[in-house]
Amino acid sequence: AQSVTQLGSHVSVSEGALVLLRCNYSSSVPPYLFWYVQYPNQGLQLLLKYTTGATLVKGINGFEAEFKKSETSFHLTKPSAHMSDAAEYFCAVSGGPDSNYQLIWGAGTKLIIKP
Amino acid sequence: NAGVTQTPKFQVLKTGQSMTLQCAQDMNHEYMSWYRQDPGMGLRLIHYSVGAGITDQGEVPNGYNVSRSTTEDFPLRLLSAAPSQTSVYFCASRRTLVETQYFGPGTRLLVL
Repeated sequence: AQSVTQLGSHVSVSEGALVLLRCNYSSSVPPYLFWYVQYPNQGLQLLLKYTTGATLVKGINGFEAEFKKSETSFHLTKPSAHMSDAAEYFCAVSGGPDSNYQLIWGAGTKLIIKP
Repeated sequence: NAGVTQTPKFQVLKTGQSMTLQCAQDMNHEYMSWYRQDPGMGLRLIHYSVGAGITDQGEVPNGYNVSRSTTEDFPLRLLSAAPSQTSVYFCASRRTLVETQYFGPGTRLLVL
């Protein structure tokens, strides 16, 4: 069965510092991978996704993620954190055909930005 | 385009009451899903639909019913509310299985 692990329920960085949010997955099929962001009291919105092709994926707001098949990872990075990046971030992987490719979600990582 | 809309935004129920959470999308998406979000547990899939007239169970379907009579609407029914169903509920839709899933703003439900 597919699963997603996000390391760290809370990550705290200083404004201007590197942001690194970790995501590891298990999948029995070639994965489609997603990062979503949730701002307080809002729904989720897509940051970026990997389906096929280039393994380094760029998203909105300066975020990017790299698909590493050998490490089964899809870590999210941003070179310089901004106060507006404070939010909760979710990694997701598509399930296989037996689950109609429904998304499997990580537990989320809350990003805290220190001034 | 309104995208995905959900009503109500907030609801308080007493144990044993029933209610319907409404979800609609105007993007002509075939695939729609209902999730619940609880602290530290991410999103858990309740039910999903791959088209009008076709629904299936997700990870946590007990206590919930769905139907999909039109492409646009995908209501979620709580049959007999329980305190364990206190949660934030999100509806989502997407055009194909590998495309972006669009989320509604959520319904915050409190069951006393």
